[in-house]
Amino acid sequence: DAKTTQPPSMDCAEGRAANLPCNHSTISGNEYVYWYRQIHSQGPQYIIHGLKNNETNEMASLIITEDRKSSTLILPHATLRDTAVYYCIVYTGNQFYFGTGTSLTVIP
Amino acid sequence: NAGVTQTPKFQVLKTGQSMTLQCAQDMNHEYMSWYRQDPGMGLRLIHYSVGAGITDQGEVPNGYNVSRSTTEDFPLRLLSAAPSQTSVYFCASGGSGSGNTIYFGEGSWLTVV
Repeated sequence: DAKTTQPPSMDCAEGRAANLPCNHSTISGNEYVYWYRQIHSQGPQYIIHGLKNNETNEMASLIITEDRKSSTLILPHATLRDTAVYYCIVYTGNQFYFGTGTSLTVIP
Repeated sequence: NAGVTQTPKFQVLKTGQSMTLQCAQDMNHEYMSWYRQDPGMGLRLIHYSVGAGITDQGEVPNGYNVSRSTTEDFPLRLLSAAPSQTSVYFCASGGSGSGNTIYFGEGSWLTVV
């Protein structure tokens, strides 16, 4: 069963904020939301994760709605190197369920 | 992708052959896992382990065996390779339990002819 739903593709202008949405309407109270990205066919790279509160690190911000049924990953100033497939993942204890991801293209 | 090493990087097998994909990590992580990624798709969990001597199945375990005799190593065995197992395989490791981050290796490209 797919635990997350993401748009298949998005474009973003270089230097602008990229906002990537994710729906996880069946998430349980103790399940975390993680975001990874994959550039070409490299191993997925960790970006950020959160449970209830909004989170920020040097790469991105994660906004989780109060009912936890959706979240948004924000890349504040997208660069060409941010072009990748972004995966929103619900972590069920010991199993990461990858969805189909969003292919983000940053346009010069 | 610090500390997770996969070998080989590329492999071609004939149908029916067996082989082992190796995965090693030097971060003393309890959790290790194997995923496969087919063209244009996300990663799907094959098997995982939460510590030495403990393994469990993921979404797509059929045709694969794993064992975890040490904390560092988590090999994936293909018992009798089939063309449907042509894929890119990723190993990952991390702390056990929710809230911990997992780190991925660079992948192993397997073609079964």
